[in-house]
Amino acid sequence: QITLKESGPTLVKPTQTLTLTCTFSGFSLSTSGVGVGWIRQPPGKALEWLALIYWDDDKRYSPSLKSRLTITKDTSKNQVVLTMTNMDPVDTATYYCAHILLYYDILTGYSPGYFDYWGQGTVVTVSS
Amino acid sequence: EIVMTQSPATLSVSPGERATLSCRASQSVRSNLAWYQQKPGQAPRLLIYGASTRATGIPARFSGSGSGTEFTLTISSLQSEDFAVYYCQQYNNWSPVFGPGTKVDIK
Repeated sequence: QITLKESGPTLVKPTQTLTLTCTFSGFSLSTSGVGVGWIRQPPGKALEWLALIYWDDDKRYSPSLKSRLTITKDTSKNQVVLTMTNMDPVDTATYYCAHILLYYDILTGYSPGYFDYWGQGTVVTVSS
Repeated sequence: EIVMTQSPATLSVSPGERATLSCRASQSVRSNLAWYQQKPGQAPRLLIYGASTRATGIPARFSGSGSGTEFTLTISSLQSEDFAVYYCQQYNNWSPVFGPGTKVDIK
């Protein structure tokens, strides 16, 4: 049974750095093809993917946020950490982590895959 | 970057009726498309992947179709628990973006 849970501060001040931790069970990030992603959702708005990390430490970032994001993994602790620098009130959102499997398409090669298991999300408010 | 659009933004349907939701990609994503359902206060749930394959435990009333740039999610007979927001997501390239969502509410 795969489960994921996000943790971190509920309130951060503008310009601060946000650090979120995803703790998971039911799979290993040392297994070939396995990955974890971060997705966020501002209140009343759509989902926005942020970052991905795979078993081989391959990392992918949303182009619009790449300069502010860092994703890392600790395989021994079954954790993935996302840091986002220079937080702004527009970054107020629910942040989710999710399990993902690397996908192979015979014509286009490898691609990120879909998010099949999600954490419950953690609400982060950016305000002074 | 591939841009995903969904229509309509809101779909009002009576229980028991069919709902048809559309998703369009700005360029071909082949069949590398997923659909998610999100209810208020909950995390999204995977419904469909590969454009037409139901995820584990998803009822048969949910079906997906399409390829390339045009996709459809059909709910054959809406149940009370199906009123939610539905998102599509492409995973054909390394920017797995989501669409803006379609809200299905009670008519």
